[in-house]
Amino acid sequence: KNQVEQSPQSLIILEGKNCTLQCNYTVSPFSNLRWYKQDTGRGPVSLTIMTFSENTKSNGRYTATLDADTKQSSLHITASQLSDSASYICVVSGNFNKFYFGSGTKLNVKP
Amino acid sequence: DTGVSQNPRHKITKRGQNVTFRCDPISEHNRLYWYRQTLGQGPEFLTYFQNEAQLEKSRLLSDRFSAERPKGSFSTLEIQRTEQGDSAMYLCASSRDRVGSGQPQHFGDGTRLSIL
Repeated sequence: KNQVEQSPQSLIILEGKNCTLQCNYTVSPFSNLRWYKQDTGRGPVSLTIMTFSENTKSNGRYTATLDADTKQSSLHITASQLSDSASYICVVSGNFNKFYFGSGTKLNVKP
Repeated sequence: DTGVSQNPRHKITKRGQNVTFRCDPISEHNRLYWYRQTLGQGPEFLTYFQNEAQLEKSRLLSDRFSAERPKGSFSTLEIQRTEQGDSAMYLCASSRDRVGSGQPQHFGDGTRLSIL
C-alpha cells in the first residue's frame, strides 16, 4: 500500500534553534518527493522538490535530504524563526500523476 | 504570476443545501487539481483536469460532487445536498505540465466549508 508517514506529528522549539522533520514512504514506483509549508488558513507552498537521483536540496534555511534506498526524507530547518511556525507536508509522486500526502508535522516556534 | 485564486474563502451553509466553489488557476497552467483537507490532515486528492478534460476522480468524489473546467480555464466544484461530513477546506492547485516531471503544484488558499 502506498503511504507517506511523517514524524513527529507536532513539535515545539525555541526561536533560533534547529529542527529536523522526518518523512518515510512506501510509494512505488517513485517519481519525486516534495516538501510543502502550509501556514494556518493558507494553501501549501512548495519548498523543495527532489527526484530519485538527488540526495539533498536547499532553499534558504530549509534543507531537504532524500535516501531513495531506505525511502526516507528529512527537512532540516536552521536557525528557526517565528515565521517558520506552520505545518510541513511531505508529498511523494508515483506514476501517472499520483500523489501521496503525509499528514504533516505541525511546528510551533516560540520566542 | 497572480497565483491560484479561490472563491469564496469561506462558506457557511445548512445541511442539505448545494454549494459551488470556483478556482482560477495560473493562466498558463494546463493542469488543475481539487483536494479536500480536514483539520490536522494532509490534503486528499479529489479530481484533476488537463485542460478541459477531467482525467481522474477519486473514490472520495461521491455522486453528490461534480467538477467542471469549461474551456480549460477556471474550474468549479459543486457539492449537492451537503452533509456534515463535507465540512473541510477545499484546495485547488494548478501546474504547468506533468507534475511527475518536477513541476510544482501551486495551491490556492482554499475555500473553507462549514455545514451547520
